[in-house]
Amino acid sequence: GAGVSQSPSNKVTEKGKDVELRCDPISGHTALYWYRQSLGQGLEFLIYFQGNSAPDKSGLPSDRFSAERTGGSVSTLTIQRTQQEDSAVYLCASSLDWGAGKYFGPGTRLTVT
Amino acid sequence: AQTVTQSQPEMSVQEAETVTLSCTYDTSESDYYLFWYKQPPSRQMILVIRQEAYKQQNATENRFSVNFQKAAKSFSLKISDSQLGDAAMYFCAYRRTDKLIFGTGTRLQVFP
Repeated sequence: GAGVSQSPSNKVTEKGKDVELRCDPISGHTALYWYRQSLGQGLEFLIYFQGNSAPDKSGLPSDRFSAERTGGSVSTLTIQRTQQEDSAVYLCASSLDWGAGKYFGPGTRLTVT
Repeated sequence: AQTVTQSQPEMSVQEAETVTLSCTYDTSESDYYLFWYKQPPSRQMILVIRQEAYKQQNATENRFSVNFQKAAKSFSLKISDSQLGDAAMYFCAYRRTDKLIFGTGTRLQVFP
């Protein structure tokens, strides 16, 4: 079936604005992850959803960041009052469960001007 | 805390030759997983190979193989018969429970 999809592919926003990034995981995958990849850096864990359990938010860098997952499928990552340091590629991944291999989406490149 | 270190920001290889990418990690755990991911310009992270720490045998996937040295906490990736399509960023990653911890990556260039 289709892989993990993310939208938009690219987003340019002004400092101080709110943005929403969307992730559609592979159908049937119960686990969903958000990572951030800053320029020239590895991937930084942000948040993890597993089924109906409370999400692991331990990687969120500040309270401006939040995420939700509706109906156990689509997830939205929201960044409020964006700052220039939020500029990065935001990658979503899903897996059948926490122990299975992760499939990544193509990412959203966020640029805050 | 677990850390993953990739000390080679860039590597290059001639087509059809072999190249080895280095990765070291730090952990106090005995049971964990290690991965190599490839990220081409399309940005999509692609799993190349995985290794379970309890397995002594090095994982192999076609032209890709690893040299896993558990005592030394080393996990290098060998790419044999390099192809132009192998050019990408390569990330080493560690997982014990669920979070993947990534290194900063190695950019591999392949020259014809």
